[in-house]
Amino acid sequence: DIQMTQSSSYLSVSLGGRVTITCKASDHINNWLAWYQQKPGNAPRLLISGATSLETGVPSRFSGSGSGKDYTLSITSLQTEDVTTYYCQQYWSSPLTFGAGTKLELK
Amino acid sequence: QVTLKESGPGILQPSQTLSLTCSFSGFSLSTSGMGVGWIRQPSGEGLEWLADIWWDDNKYYNPSLKSRLTISKDTSSNQVFLKITSVDTADTATYYCARRGVSFDYWGQGTTLTVSS
Repeated sequence: DIQMTQSSSYLSVSLGGRVTITCKASDHINNWLAWYQQKPGNAPRLLISGATSLETGVPSRFSGSGSGKDYTLSITSLQTEDVTTYYCQQYWSSPLTFGAGTKLELK
Repeated sequence: QVTLKESGPGILQPSQTLSLTCSFSGFSLSTSGMGVGWIRQPSGEGLEWLADIWWDDNKYYNPSLKSRLTISKDTSSNQVFLKITSVDTADTATYYCARRGVSFDYWGQGTTLTVSS
């Protein structure tokens, strides 16, 4: 199984600032990586697929980058509604696996 | 407009079988490349993929639960089903179904299961 490691369970952030969330796969996943946002009580929402492709309707302040085993989700000009939990997920190989999540908290 | 909605029993006793239904609209599981998956999330914890079923009836299971899982579909009624046998307290979670083209692009609202004696 490919393990997905989000190195930070929590990140302290400031409104208007920039935040970078990292995700490391235990093996190469060839950019077959998705990022999801999940607000309390809601289902996850797909933000980015293919490591860098922004889904329709997702604000342009979100971006994804990376290759090989290492991937990042960046959020610029952080808004109040962005302060929630984010998960990475690989779909290169079965079983599909998710990172444990990174929860953003306001400083 | 793509929508998915899960339904389930809400509460089960240990050792019973969980039957979940995902009813969807806005796409067809007869379309090449289309799939539906099940993912669960215990309260306050992370996401765990359970199984996928595809337009060609190929099925994939999480090996950690494979012996207990059965996924199936009724294309004509736009429904996907998941059965989990011999549930125990560790299966207490919110269960989501989601459309899968590549990643999971549309999700249902989830259905909560509590396993308790």
